[in-house]
Amino acid sequence: NAGVTQTPKFRVLKTGQSMTLLCAQDMNHEYMYWYRQDPGMGLRLIHYSVGEGTTAKGEVPDGYNVSRLKKQNFLLGLESAAPSQTSVYFCASRIGHLNQPQHFGDGTRLSIL
Amino acid sequence: GENVEQHPSTLSVQEGDSAVIKCTYSDSASNYFPWYKQELGKRPQLIIDIRSNVGEKKDQRIAVTLNKTAKHFSLHITETQPEDSAVYFCAASYRERGGADGLTFGKGTHLIIQP
Repeated sequence: NAGVTQTPKFRVLKTGQSMTLLCAQDMNHEYMYWYRQDPGMGLRLIHYSVGEGTTAKGEVPDGYNVSRLKKQNFLLGLESAAPSQTSVYFCASRIGHLNQPQHFGDGTRLSIL
Repeated sequence: GENVEQHPSTLSVQEGDSAVIKCTYSDSASNYFPWYKQELGKRPQLIIDIRSNVGEKKDQRIAVTLNKTAKHFSLHITETQPEDSAVYFCAASYRERGGADGLTFGKGTHLIIQP
């Protein structure tokens, strides 16, 4: 039982390049989330999903897109990377019942040059 | 939407002393309050949580208190040890109109345990 797995762990991109971050969970969780973490800013929600085939915007969605074609996977895409998107990205998941904890992956450290 | 304020941003205590981190929230409908610990370069990990039907919860050296009237909750760590050094995040639940719910996080407290 691996929990929440994020790939890749590190990536360096040039401005304007695109890439996809993958989050996979093996806990059969309904809810999945993408956050970004910047120094002094805590965790800010980018997008989330409450089930297969559904996604919704969070606090800071601009410049990102997501897809949840399978229940266990949640993909975060950057279509045209900008230096402001340099951050550590965390994926989290949880079961669908109310008031349950979120379980985080190990994060992806992304640098945009 | 929900707003969570966390204080202090940095806390330095002597090993063996107690540490207290405080959070306030704005949405009176919030009813779930988890605390996460994040060591340098690692993932946030849940250390304790409390739901609105109780005022206090303990787990060994860690306790959380909740005051729903005042809309604040606190993390208490007693007999601090070097391995307690980390960044701690509080969070409060929110509910969207469509029924989905999530967490709003505080900005974190860097706890430093001095030997």
